[in-house]
Amino acid sequence: EAGVAQSPRYKIIEKRQSVAFWCNPISGHATLYWYQQILGQGPKLLIQFQNNGVVDDSQLPKDRFSAERLKGVDSTLKIQPAKLEDSAVYLCASSLVASGGAYEQYFGPGTRLTVT
Amino acid sequence: RKEVEQDPGPFNVPEGATVAFNCTYSNSASQSFFWYRQDCRKEPKLLMSVYSSGNEDGRFTAQLNRASQYISLLIRDSKLSDSATYLCVVNIGTGGYNKLIFGAGTRLAVHP
Repeated sequence: EAGVAQSPRYKIIEKRQSVAFWCNPISGHATLYWYQQILGQGPKLLIQFQNNGVVDDSQLPKDRFSAERLKGVDSTLKIQPAKLEDSAVYLCASSLVASGGAYEQYFGPGTRLTVT
Repeated sequence: RKEVEQDPGPFNVPEGATVAFNCTYSNSASQSFFWYRQDCRKEPKLLMSVYSSGNEDGRFTAQLNRASQYISLLIRDSKLSDSATYLCVVNIGTGGYNKLIFGAGTRLAVHP
């Protein structure tokens, strides 16, 4: 079974530039997540989609971050304009729909962003 | 106070040692609990779920104390391949949706 795919794997940009990340979840997984992981910290949820609808974006800095999941499959996360503190690994994860209880999120390899 | 707190370590142990990690969480309404493993510069992967009755998977034992809001992970007979960061994870989601809160992780280094 193919895992969660992400691209690019690495990106270096200057502050105030824009950047976009792409994620393709595991086939059949209705739920998709974007996390930000800053060095030395655990992943922090930015946004969660159920099919193509947003379930939770309470921690997404909406003045500069945006995300979409057209057709309920692939997703893109954009930062515009980037700040130095956005340097982090951006992880995409997916899971089957769960009506509660334990379930597993499968993570992609991440995109390592460096803002200079 | 952080929602999920862990000792960052590192824990440096010899092969064959037993090591225990602890984690505390602040949200008493948390629904489910997990340990994830993250290797250096890799993505997190589920190690095991944590149940109130305690559960074991080979050399790994997880315990949950809801009254104290405390989770533990015990690794017996440590292997070099156990070297990684162990993330304590709490699900605070409601309404049928899951929302995972990750701790910052505890780093384990197993040496020969």
